[in-house]
Amino acid sequence: SQQGEEDPQALSIQEGENATMNCSYKTSINNLQWYRQNSGRGLVHLILIRSNEREKHSGRLRVTLDTSKKSSSLLITASRAADTASYFCAILNSGNTPLVFGKGTRLSVIA
Amino acid sequence: DAGVIQSPRHEVTEMGQEVTLRCKPISGHDYLFWYRQTMMRGLELLIYFNNNVPIDDSGMPEDRFSAKMPNASFSTLKIQPSEPRDSAVYFCASSRTGALGYTFGSGTRLTVV
Repeated sequence: SQQGEEDPQALSIQEGENATMNCSYKTSINNLQWYRQNSGRGLVHLILIRSNEREKHSGRLRVTLDTSKKSSSLLITASRAADTASYFCAILNSGNTPLVFGKGTRLSVIA
Repeated sequence: DAGVIQSPRHEVTEMGQEVTLRCKPISGHDYLFWYRQTMMRGLELLIYFNNNVPIDDSGMPEDRFSAKMPNASFSTLKIQPSEPRDSAVYFCASSRTGALGYTFGSGTRLTVV
């Protein structure tokens, strides 16, 4: 099964700035999901984008998907210190195969 | 609902000892997943169940690992005997058919010394 690869591995920004994280994958997908993990906690589902969608919004989150480039991006606007966490993309292939997670992007938002 | 509940939160054990990790999924969820997280390998799927039946255990690293789901509200992951390289955070997650994502527990941090 394929694994998404996040880029960059780590990102440090000032509070109020926008944060952009990218995910690339190699084969066709059913959908792509983004999760957040705070230190010492489990992953929390943020947003899902289906293969036939190009952009989705949820609050300060914007996700784009380019299936021709096999890539997705997660944009967090007006970042806050509380956004400090690791962010993972997860790929759902066809059928009911389980999610395959990338290694994540560690985001630090400095107040 | 209290979410996915894992116990214990932390486990420190000596090499060679048996370790049992526990998970209570969300009521009504028909899928249960066990993942292992390390810095080197990220999140790896170990095994998953559908309606209490193991579907794919190809991610289980060795015969030392075993998992059971005797009913819809409980699952265990057992390591016997444990080794230092098993040290990791083990997550349980559940989902229901047609749901948009998984719900993760808080994990069990296992340290084998």
